[in-house]
Amino acid sequence: NAGVTQTPKFRILKIGQSMTLQCTQDMNHNYMYWYRQDPGMGLKLIYYSVGAGITDKGEVPNGYNVSRSTTEDFPLRLELAAPSQTSVYFCASSPYKAGTSEKLFFGSGTQLSVL
Amino acid sequence: GENVEQHPSTLSVQEGDSAVIKCTYSDSASNYFPWYKQELGKRPQLIIDIRSNVGEKKDQRIAVTLNKTAKHFSLHITETQPEDSAVYFCAAPAFTSGTYKYIFGTGTRLKVLA
Repeated sequence: NAGVTQTPKFRILKIGQSMTLQCTQDMNHNYMYWYRQDPGMGLKLIYYSVGAGITDKGEVPNGYNVSRSTTEDFPLRLELAAPSQTSVYFCASSPYKAGTSEKLFFGSGTQLSVL
Repeated sequence: GENVEQHPSTLSVQEGDSAVIKCTYSDSASNYFPWYKQELGKRPQLIIDIRSNVGEKKDQRIAVTLNKTAKHFSLHITETQPEDSAVYFCAAPAFTSGTYKYIFGTGTRLKVLA
């Protein structure tokens, strides 16, 4: 059981380039999230999804896009990368069953630098 | 929307002493309050959680207390050890408009001095 898998682990982008951060989970969780964590800072919610075909904005969605075509996959797209997007990106999933199971399972993170 | 404030941002304690971290939340509908621990370079891991129908929960050296009236909850670590050094995050997930999302506090960097 792999849990939540993120790729790549590290990436350096030039300003203006685009890329997709991959996230997949094998736990059949409905809820999936993307967070960014700036150095020494907390976790900010970028986008989240409550199931295949359904996505919604979080606290800091500007400059990002997501899609959820399957239960397993929740890729994060960066268009026109900017230095402000230098951060560690965490994908997470949750089974979310109200009153019984709300635990978040995190991937290992993607460290992104935009130069 | 939900807003979560966490204090202090850094905390240094001597080994064996206790540490307390506090969080306040704004959404009165929040009913589940987890704490996550993040070691340097690692992913956050759940260490303890509490539901709104109880006021306190313990798991060995860690405990969480909840005051729903005041909308705050706290993490208590007793007999601290060097391996407790990490960043701790609280969260107050909000269930709104049929969706469920986690909003995290800003984190507390705990240093346990040997």
